[in-house]
Amino acid sequence: EDKVVQSPLSLVVHEGDTVTLNCSYEVTNFRSLLWYKQEKKAPTFLFMLTSSGIEKKSGRLSSILDKKELFSILNITATQTGDSAVYLCAVDDSGGSNYKLTFGKGTLLTVNP
Amino acid sequence: DTAVSQTPKYLVTQMGNDKSIKCEQNLGHDTMYWYKQDSKKFLKIMFSYNNKELIINETVPNRFSPKSPDKAHLNLHINSLELGDSAVYFCASSPEAGGTDTQYFGPGTRLTVL
Repeated sequence: EDKVVQSPLSLVVHEGDTVTLNCSYEVTNFRSLLWYKQEKKAPTFLFMLTSSGIEKKSGRLSSILDKKELFSILNITATQTGDSAVYLCAVDDSGGSNYKLTFGKGTLLTVNP
Repeated sequence: DTAVSQTPKYLVTQMGNDKSIKCEQNLGHDTMYWYKQDSKKFLKIMFSYNNKELIINETVPNRFSPKSPDKAHLNLHINSLELGDSAVYFCASSPEAGGTDTQYFGPGTRLTVL
């Protein structure tokens, strides 16, 4: 059974700290890995990763994929209270023409002032 | 049997027109979604909907509106189409209302606005 496991499940930090969120996966037909940020509304897309070792960056957020060890990390530097959210990792494991996204349970990040 | 189907597969239209894309799932799922895939192949969620709640991505223009006649259907209506709306639109469904489990996607609808 395909699965996506995120760790930690929750994390509390202070503003200015750097955090690393983990996502490991076991899927049959990996095509891409996606990170989303979910606050009160629909998840917001952050990154899509398809190749190992290539870091994607957007402001204070960055992410990298290791297809050999089957995991990805999401780094957030100089955290702010606005970074508080659930961060979701999803793997497209369709292998075929249609997408099939399997989501992890998410990491709840709380950034305190 | 097709699990999640969308029609039409291709849609070419003029700026300013109003159009709809239909989505049907026969999986008995509770939650359906619309995603937009842009030119860089990034898949971005637009809406999620179950029989209790519509969750809208705040970046989606209000020209886009989902309509659900029943649990198995979630259609996407787009008013006053703009050039930037050209993209591939995917419908998806998942078993639970929470939505953070496996999502099954339709084949996509390629929308071209001229």
